[in-house]
Amino acid sequence: AQKITQTQPGMFVQEKEAVTLDCTYDTSDPSYGLFWYKQPSSGEMIFLIYQGSYDQQNATEGRYSLNFQKARKSANLVISASQLGDSAMYFCAMRELSNAGNMLTFGGGTRLMVKP
Amino acid sequence: NAGVTQTPKFQVLKTGQSMTLQCAQDMNHNSMYWYRQDPGMGLRLIYYSASEGTTDKGEVPNGYNVSRLNKREFSLRLESAAPSQTSVYFCASRDNQETQYFGPGTRLLVL
Repeated sequence: AQKITQTQPGMFVQEKEAVTLDCTYDTSDPSYGLFWYKQPSSGEMIFLIYQGSYDQQNATEGRYSLNFQKARKSANLVISASQLGDSAMYFCAMRELSNAGNMLTFGGGTRLMVKP
Repeated sequence: NAGVTQTPKFQVLKTGQSMTLQCAQDMNHNSMYWYRQDPGMGLRLIYYSASEGTTDKGEVPNGYNVSRLNKREFSLRLESAAPSQTSVYFCASRDNQETQYFGPGTRLLVL
């Protein structure tokens, strides 16, 4: 079974609007972490936001927030006030306590395109 | 503070050739990682090093070897390159807050 599922291969959003990128995960570990990374066309992987499984509040970093619904095993990324520079691939990833070395397992990604 | 650096940026190899991808970090992190990213996919872990002097296999280790030369440097070696190893290779290091920071990547084409 897929550990990280991103069901939206591609999405469009109008500039200045908010957009939600979906991520569901599968783990039996009691302790885990969820990450979102941005990969622009230049290819680098840019860390955006982190949510720990025991964190009581949803993580926020500037225009990025993580809608963490533990019971539903979802960790959706919300980008507010979209900008043209937000056009990129977005990857959800998970680190499980049982993973030696704290390796990350990545989803297949969502391509976000911001329309002017 | 350069973060994570990788060399080379691009490389073309013929089947059977060998090469070493270099990675260095200046953030004093203990853990370092090598991932590969195939077209249209997320990253998959090849090898990791939890600390200087230790290395362990990840999800897709076959055809690769690694060396953790010191705390800063973690190299990935392809002994006999195959077309299936055409990919983009990312090195990462991890801080104490669990976040992994990635290098710019190496694009490898094996003909």
